[in-house]
Amino acid sequence: EVQLVESGGGVVQPGGSLRLSCAASGFTFSTYGIHWARQAPGKGLEWVSVISANGATTMYADSVKGRFTVSRDNPKNTVYLQMNGLRVEDTAIYYCAKKMLAGVGNHWFDPWGQGTLVTVSS
Amino acid sequence: EIVMTQSPVTLSVSPGERGTLSCRASQSVSGNLAWYQQKPGQAPRLLIYGASTRATGIPARFSGSGSGTEFTLTISSLQSEDFTVYYCQQYSNWPLTFGGGTKVEIK
Repeated sequence: EVQLVESGGGVVQPGGSLRLSCAASGFTFSTYGIHWARQAPGKGLEWVSVISANGATTMYADSVKGRFTVSRDNPKNTVYLQMNGLRVEDTAIYYCAKKMLAGVGNHWFDPWGQGTLVTVSS
Repeated sequence: EIVMTQSPVTLSVSPGERGTLSCRASQSVSGNLAWYQQKPGQAPRLLIYGASTRATGIPARFSGSGSGTEFTLTISSLQSEDFTVYYCQQYSNWPLTFGGGTKVEIK
């Protein structure tokens, strides 16, 4: 069974940092791109970032560019999201999600992890 | 950025009836559209990709159609477990973008 498990969420002050992890199992991890998306409390979904299967390509939403960094450790089957300069508006549940298909393009998500809550508050 | 607009925001339907959800893109996304279902307290679940292909394990009462800028998710006969929130997502251009969601509620 394909499974993604996020961890690392918590409460942090504005301007602080947090590193999220996404541990994967049940598939050949090094073959698939992994996305991060978020959902503010009671709001809709927002795409955040993607990292390619080999880690060579990363992309970010404008709202997090320059503050967030995505990376992966393929031998550990884990993707990381380093979040610096956190703002109140970054408060959300953060989900990692697997590209359903390997290869270029086709950036829809299946499955998603259960999410980890990040709260930015003073 | 491609803006995805879902309508209606809330859809009131009786169990057993058909539900029709719309998603409009601000520019053509061809057939590069996915639909997700999200139940309270849960992660989203993929329903449809490629505008009309059902994901594995998705019941046949869910169907997707459309291309370009206009898309539809149809639930042919709403079951109790279908009353929840649905999102569309385009993957034609970066950044990837989602619609604001449609909540399907019991009439």
